[in-house]
Amino acid sequence: DGGITQSPKYLFRKEGQNVTLSCEQNLNHDAMYWYRQDPGQGLRLIYYSQIVNDFQKGDIAEGYSVSREKKESFPLTVTSAQKNPTAFYLCASRSRGQTRVQNTEAFFGQGTRLTVV
Amino acid sequence: GEDVEQSLFLSVREGDSSVINCTYTDSSSTYLYWYKQEPGAGLQLLTYIFSNMDMKQDQRLTVLLNKKDKHLSLRIADTQTGDSAIYFCAEIYNQGGKLIFGQGTELSVKP
Repeated sequence: DGGITQSPKYLFRKEGQNVTLSCEQNLNHDAMYWYRQDPGQGLRLIYYSQIVNDFQKGDIAEGYSVSREKKESFPLTVTSAQKNPTAFYLCASRSRGQTRVQNTEAFFGQGTRLTVV
Repeated sequence: GEDVEQSLFLSVREGDSSVINCTYTDSSSTYLYWYKQEPGAGLQLLTYIFSNMDMKQDQRLTVLLNKKDKHLSLRIADTQTGDSAIYFCAEIYNQGGKLIFGQGTELSVKP
């Protein structure tokens, strides 16, 4: 079955530690995205990548880092510089489409809930 | 800059229609989407509309797009308790592929 998988589902981090969230897709999608969700604030874009070995900052990239060494994988590292990392993190992927009129919906993983202890 | 705005809450009675509204800023957006999120889960696509369309109907769902006012709405007919969830509108900036979401509208359906 094709899909997008995030792991782990729950993650606990001590203050001052870096932690990496996994996102893998087998949909052959070019574009991948990381969002952070806090109550009442919707989904805020952290980083996105349109193609392997390239990625762009979203609206709240400070304190986060990503890599895109393989098409299937887009891991997100929450660094110790992120002052308030407790949140629900969602990864998504989508095909870029062949033409401007070709719709390409985004598929989401089930999320990782990160808690700082 | 890019921005998508939604009201945060909507409460309706079972059997009534629900209308969830969204405004966006980028007139060059190609596609606009509605997603649904159940508690503690990821997002699932409900429907989408291409920017050259005014309306799209899909069973109980009707999407209206007013490009002049940059306003998008989702109407759910005969709303059921199972429709209780958070609904997000989103737009894609095809120039750079950036996918931006609104804050989400929490729909509560009372029996």
